Amino acid sequence: GQNIDQPTEMTATEGAIVQINCTYQTSGFNGLFWYQQHAGEAPTFLSYNVLDGLEEKGRFSSFLSRSKGYSYLLLKELQMKDSASYLCAVFSGGYNKLIFGAGTRLAVHP
Amino acid sequence: DVKVTQSSRYLVKRTGEKVFLECVQDMDHENMFWYRQDPGLGLRLIYFSYDVKMKEKGDIPEGYSVSREKKERFSLILESASTNQTSMYLCASRGLAGGQDEQYFGPGTRLTVT
Repeated sequence: GQNIDQPTEMTATEGAIVQINCTYQTSGFNGLFWYQQHAGEAPTFLSYNVLDGLEEKGRFSSFLSRSKGYSYLLLKELQMKDSASYLCAVFSGGYNKLIFGAGTRLAVHP
Repeated sequence: DVKVTQSSRYLVKRTGEKVFLECVQDMDHENMFWYRQDPGLGLRLIYFSYDVKMKEKGDIPEGYSVSREKKERFSLILESASTNQTSMYLCASRGLAGGQDEQYFGPGTRLTVT
């Protein structure tokens, strides 16, 4: 079966660093996406990992280990506007369907 | 720079009505997708299309159909709306951007079936 697991909720303090983990078990793997979604809005693209290692993009970094079926999103210098849900999604299957986890709701406090 | 648009942000329909949700993308992408998003369940794939007139069922196609007559447009049809189809519907398109595979979402349509 297909399974993507993320913590349901996390809290962090403004200015701190937070790591959101994602583990996956899918039939096939062709890459992993991270999306940010503010309440009532559409998801917006953050990162795409297809090879093992760390991809850095400003305050956000994403890591992938294909052998462990594991990824994390690292958010540095947290700001209040980073309060949102973060969705982990895996490319899988013959047509490269994107399969989503349920998302992690991050609350950033002053 | 809006890339994926959806016909309505909010929609209220009655049980049994036929509902059309339209999605248009301006990026010349082959792949387009319809998802629904419900609290605690995340994003679930309803249908997708990898070319004009081509469609494939996703994970929850029951009660839905789709149409892709033009590359830029992908429509989701609820043949006879039911209350359990009350949800947020998100359209997406996917293709290469700067050498990287990216998937863009539309703003979503919040559908309420009464």
